[in-house]
Amino acid sequence: GEDVEQSLFLSVREGDSSVINCTYTDSSSTYLYWYKQEPGAGLQLLTYIFSNMDMKQDQRLTVLLNKKDKHLSLRIADTQTGDSAIYFCAEDGDDKIIFGKGTRLHILP
Amino acid sequence: DTAVSQTPKYLVTQMGNDKSIKCEQNLGHDTMYWYKQDSKKFLKIMFSYNNKELIINETVPNRFSPKSPDKAHLNLHINSLELGDSAVYFCASSPGLAKNIQYFGAGTRLSVL
Repeated sequence: GEDVEQSLFLSVREGDSSVINCTYTDSSSTYLYWYKQEPGAGLQLLTYIFSNMDMKQDQRLTVLLNKKDKHLSLRIADTQTGDSAIYFCAEDGDDKIIFGKGTRLHILP
Repeated sequence: DTAVSQTPKYLVTQMGNDKSIKCEQNLGHDTMYWYKQDSKKFLKIMFSYNNKELIINETVPNRFSPKSPDKAHLNLHINSLELGDSAVYFCASSPGLAKNIQYFGAGTRLSVL
């Protein structure tokens, strides 16, 4: 079945890079997504990657996709306190988006 | 000019009551969703509607009844509220059923006492 797995917690020092990893099961996914949820708010799309791409860069964000291993990662360079949030990995399902359980990113001073 | 707006933002009520949460999107999308996010922040889809037609009903108790009067609105009515219904409920919309970015509302925090 469709499933998305990601670790639940990550702590990173301010200024370091954060890498959030995710594995998914549906090899027919066309898009894979990263959503960000700040405290008290809804999910906002952070970035997405088309399944025929290996990498996508957008300012401090780099998404890497290994389609063979069904592995997706999100790298945030120069992590800031404002990056503290829950990051959800998601894949296209047949008629819905399948979300992972979310990785809570904690920034250490 | 919020794209997906849901009301109320907070809802505190007693067990056994009936309550409704409203959602409206002004993006011209065809598809709308309701999600439940529990205290551990796990997100579960409850329903999706496409052009007012129910598409997904993820084994949600029939105390939960969504209603879509038009494709810009998807309301959620909950009968006989239980303690376990306490959660944050998110409405979302997308241009179509699949392979589409979803846009989320800010959430409704429901507390059942």
